[in-house]
Amino acid sequence: EPEVTQTPSHQVTQMGQEVILRCVPISNHLYFYWYRQILGQKVEFLVSFYNNEISEKSEIFDDQFSVERPDGSNFTLKIRSTKLEDSAMYFCASSVGHQETQYFGPGTRLLVL
Amino acid sequence: AQSVAQPEDQVNVAEGNPLTVKCTYSVSGNPYLFWYVQYPNRGLQFLLKYITGDNLVKGSYGFEAEFNKSQTSFHLKKPSALVSDSALYFCAVRGLTSGTYKYIFGTGTRLKVLA
Repeated sequence: EPEVTQTPSHQVTQMGQEVILRCVPISNHLYFYWYRQILGQKVEFLVSFYNNEISEKSEIFDDQFSVERPDGSNFTLKIRSTKLEDSAMYFCASSVGHQETQYFGPGTRLLVL
Repeated sequence: AQSVAQPEDQVNVAEGNPLTVKCTYSVSGNPYLFWYVQYPNRGLQFLLKYITGDNLVKGSYGFEAEFNKSQTSFHLKKPSALVSDSALYFCAVRGLTSGTYKYIFGTGTRLKVLA
């Protein structure tokens, strides 16, 4: 069964450094999303992406964040200058259509020191 | 504004007993409701969804959920719990803002099934 994959599974970085989190959505899906889950808290929407542009972003998704689909398979989330409060589990999701079920990847656990 | 509430942080149930994990929602228009499960160090796995049709929805691993419009609830149920069902369960509602569908999650309920 096809699934969303994410790399790396864990990432440790120093405050102020740039990180890129990678996702490979399910191959026939057209809509892509990033969510995050701070430890012990609920899952929060960050951004949605379709047709090579951002469809919507939350207030969390400030200028330090960017997303890109650099090729036909990868979908990336970049944090330009990480802060301590960026430490969280980041989930990628994809769906066939914007009304269809979103399928989530296993997540990348980011720790900013 | 759309929102989801999971009133219980944790639910304990003995193996073999029925389980219920509660979820209530607030949404304008017809609700699109989902349950996901998260095992330790794993991602969110889709369990089931309600879009339209029968109020009782059947999903993966023997789980089902009952949509109750009058009570604005979508409780997750299983007739006989297994120890392996122990995990974190999230209820979500699909919200439409600015032309984009996004999922709004509840705070999660930790289910512990005791042997």
